[in-house]
Amino acid sequence: KNQVEQSPQSLIILEGKNCTLQCNYTVSPFSNLRWYKQDTGRGPVSLTIMTFSENTKSNGRYTATLDADTKQSSLHITASQLSDSASYICVVSEGSQGNLIFGKGTKLSVKP
Amino acid sequence: NAGVTQTPKFRILKIGQSMTLQCTQDMNHNYMYWYRQDPGMGLKLIYYSVGAGITDKGEVPNGYNVSRSTTEDFPLRLELAAPSQTSVYFCASSYSSTSGSYEQYFGPGTRLTVT
Repeated sequence: KNQVEQSPQSLIILEGKNCTLQCNYTVSPFSNLRWYKQDTGRGPVSLTIMTFSENTKSNGRYTATLDADTKQSSLHITASQLSDSASYICVVSEGSQGNLIFGKGTKLSVKP
Repeated sequence: NAGVTQTPKFRILKIGQSMTLQCTQDMNHNYMYWYRQDPGMGLKLIYYSVGAGITDKGEVPNGYNVSRSTTEDFPLRLELAAPSQTSVYFCASSYSSTSGSYEQYFGPGTRLTVT
């Protein structure tokens, strides 16, 4: 069964610290992997999209990695800010139709 | 550009009532989608459309209907509201299929409660 699992479920860090969020997937065939940021009460916003051949991709203080062999991805946030408080969702696109399989998200809280 | 807009933002329905959730995009995207997000769960695809006049079922279509008469609009219809349809509904659009590296843009969501 196609699944996307994220860990941890929630995370609290102090402002200025770094953190890494994990995503494991069992989606096949694989098209691409996406990370979204979802602020409370808002729609998801795309951070990165990675294809099979891409190992790492950055968007400002956000860096995503992909290991297609082990079917794992991570999202590293550097020098966290209060505005980084949000849910981060890992999404894998499956097959030629591009069906998106969504993880449940990691809720990140950045405290001053 | 306004992007993807949804109305209403909030709605409370009684069991058995019907309503239409509106979605409009101004990016001239071919693909549009409706998702629901239940607390603590990942988004689930309800219906999608690859262009005007073409719609198809997603993972959880029961209890919903859609139409796509124009490129811009993709309304979602609930005919007989049930408590199980209490959720947050997101509309999204993309230029082409998400099997390619096309960004998917989401609206702000509609929070629906059925009592």
